[in-house]
Amino acid sequence: EVQLVESGGGLVQPGGSLRLSCAASGFTSSAYWMSWVRQAPGKGLEWVANINTDGSDKRYADSVKGRFTTSRDNPKNSLYLQLNSLRAEDTAVYYCAREGICTAAACYPDYWGQGTLVTVSS
Amino acid sequence: EIVLTQSPGTLSLSPGERATLSCRASQSVSSSLLAWYQQKRGQAPRLLIYDASNRATGIPDRFSGSGSGTDFTLTISRLEPEDFAVYYCQQYGSQKTFGQGTKVEIK
Repeated sequence: EVQLVESGGGLVQPGGSLRLSCAASGFTSSAYWMSWVRQAPGKGLEWVANINTDGSDKRYADSVKGRFTTSRDNPKNSLYLQLNSLRAEDTAVYYCAREGICTAAACYPDYWGQGTLVTVSS
Repeated sequence: EIVLTQSPGTLSLSPGERATLSCRASQSVSSSLLAWYQQKRGQAPRLLIYDASNRATGIPDRFSGSGSGTDFTLTISRLEPEDFAVYYCQQYGSQKTFGQGTKVEIK
């Protein structure tokens, strides 16, 4: 069974840092692009970043570029999101997702974790 | 950045009725790289449609997607009780933006 479990969320002060993890099981994570998507409380979805199979290609939303970094450790079946210079507007549930449905031009997320809440507040 | 505008914001319908949800892009979406998701309260999103019109694995055939260019539509042919949820479209350009969502609620 495919499972994605996020961890590492919590309360952090503005300007602080946090590292989120996503543990993958039930599939060979090294074969898939992976994504991060966030959702502020009561708001819609926002794509954050994605990363290719070997970690050599990373793409970010303009809103987090230069502050967030995604990485992966394939032998550990783990995905990470380093959040730096955090702002109140970064408060959200952060989801990781497997981009498992691929067509000629894109891969879409077919499995999602349940998310981890990051709260940025003093 | 491509901006996606979903309409209506809320759709009030009864079970058995047809739901038509719109997603309009501020510029043409490359190669119809557009997806639709369903999200229920307290749950992660679920992929319904990819490449504008292809149903994801396990998605019932009452869900269908259509459109190209800047105008896309998600249709639920006959609403089942479990279909009342929030629906998002997302385009797969360099910035994979989402629409703001359409809530389908029970009338």
